[in-house]
Amino acid sequence: SAVISQKPSRDICQRGTSLTIQCQVDSQVTMMFWYRQQPGQSLTLIATANQGSEATYESGFVIDKFPISRPNLTFSTLTVSNMSPEDSSIYLCSVGTGNTYEQYFGPGTRLTVT
Amino acid sequence: KQEVTQIPAALSVPEGENLVLNCSFTDSAIYNLQWFRQDPGKGLTSLLLIQSSQREQTSGRLNASLDKSSGRSTLYIAASQPGDSATYLCAPGRNAGNMLTFGGGTRLMVKP
Repeated sequence: SAVISQKPSRDICQRGTSLTIQCQVDSQVTMMFWYRQQPGQSLTLIATANQGSEATYESGFVIDKFPISRPNLTFSTLTVSNMSPEDSSIYLCSVGTGNTYEQYFGPGTRLTVT
Repeated sequence: KQEVTQIPAALSVPEGENLVLNCSFTDSAIYNLQWFRQDPGKGLTSLLLIQSSQREQTSGRLNASLDKSSGRSTLYIAASQPGDSATYLCAPGRNAGNMLTFGGGTRLMVKP
């Protein structure tokens, strides 16, 4: 398993600003992921954060809106850029561990955009 | 594109009942399948992972089965307890990185 922390746990931001969310893991992992959970919805994968290379984005998500960094095997950041109220969601990072890539999730960052 | 459906969407039962939560997915070319639990305002807790070559996995009162060819997985909860109240999410993974696609979840309420 893995212990994952996220900062901030929640934030209220104004339209047009950007927020950077941090994800820290207690061990080195190859696979890190960022998900979004919109109000009342299930989780949707935003991107896979690759160490040493650009992130791989899912359909509907673009780097200009959600830039991701992965400077080492224990840390990643997700930035939500030029925010609008539609970006109000919970953002979760996860890691895949072991031979099965079983995924473990951080506690999430609850973002409200006003 | 993988689509995941969970039935029922919500379930309310008295304590002690045995439960069946269903998950179906459209693309059988999965790497693994995970079941998660999500408590209100909290993150996700991994319950069980079934590898694509396996038929079932068990952990305590939980048993998950996988029929990959028909695109189905089932989570059995034995002797339900009020502490089992949560939303249960099914998520098949694709590729070697196990990128997950989530179902809409089953919201479970177990009444004392």
